[in-house]
Amino acid sequence: AQTVTQSQPEMSVQEAETVTLSCTYDTSESDYYLFWYKQPPSRQMILVIRQEAYKQQNATENRFSVNFQKAAKSFSLKISDSQLGDAAMYFCARDSGNTGKLIFGQGTTLQVKP
Amino acid sequence: KAGVTQTPRYLIKTRGQQVTLSCSPISGHRSVSWYQQTPGQGLQFLFEYFSETQRNKGNFPGRFSGRQFSNSRSEMNVSTLELGDSALYLCASSLQGATGNTIYFGEGSWLTVV
Repeated sequence: AQTVTQSQPEMSVQEAETVTLSCTYDTSESDYYLFWYKQPPSRQMILVIRQEAYKQQNATENRFSVNFQKAAKSFSLKISDSQLGDAAMYFCARDSGNTGKLIFGQGTTLQVKP
Repeated sequence: KAGVTQTPRYLIKTRGQQVTLSCSPISGHRSVSWYQQTPGQGLQFLFEYFSETQRNKGNFPGRFSGRQFSNSRSEMNVSTLELGDSALYLCASSLQGATGNTIYFGEGSWLTVV
């Protein structure tokens, strides 16, 4: 089965510090994309960052960066200088073929302590 | 540019009834997909429509159906509602639903079945 696994149901970080959320996935495809989405209490899914599988360079968006290890099928999200507004549930996802379907992990709830 | 719009945002239905949820994608987007989010099952893919055709379907019973109109707006219908259908239903859109297309989500429709 082609799955996405987030092994950390909950994480906490002190404001201004760095936290890393883990994600592993399974796929038989050679070209695919990986995503991290943030879901705050409003429940709207917000795209945080995305990574194309054939690009070796890790994607970065401001305070958010990924560590993409293709051979290990690992895709972790690093949040630097954590802010209170980063508190949310974070979902790792990968696309599935040439369609609009995403396969999501179970999510990690991130708490940011002041 | 308006985002993905879902209506209604909240609704309460009785077991056995049916419900129709609506989704207007971002202008120019032709792929619309639907997801069910519950605490127990997480985010599960329901189906995807592209150019008025269902292109992909998740593992849900036939009580769950959908359609897409020529203007790319989509509706999903759930018939003979069960208590377990209580969930947040998320709609998402992308340009072509192709690999690499960024997928944008609406705020969701909260369905409670009593």
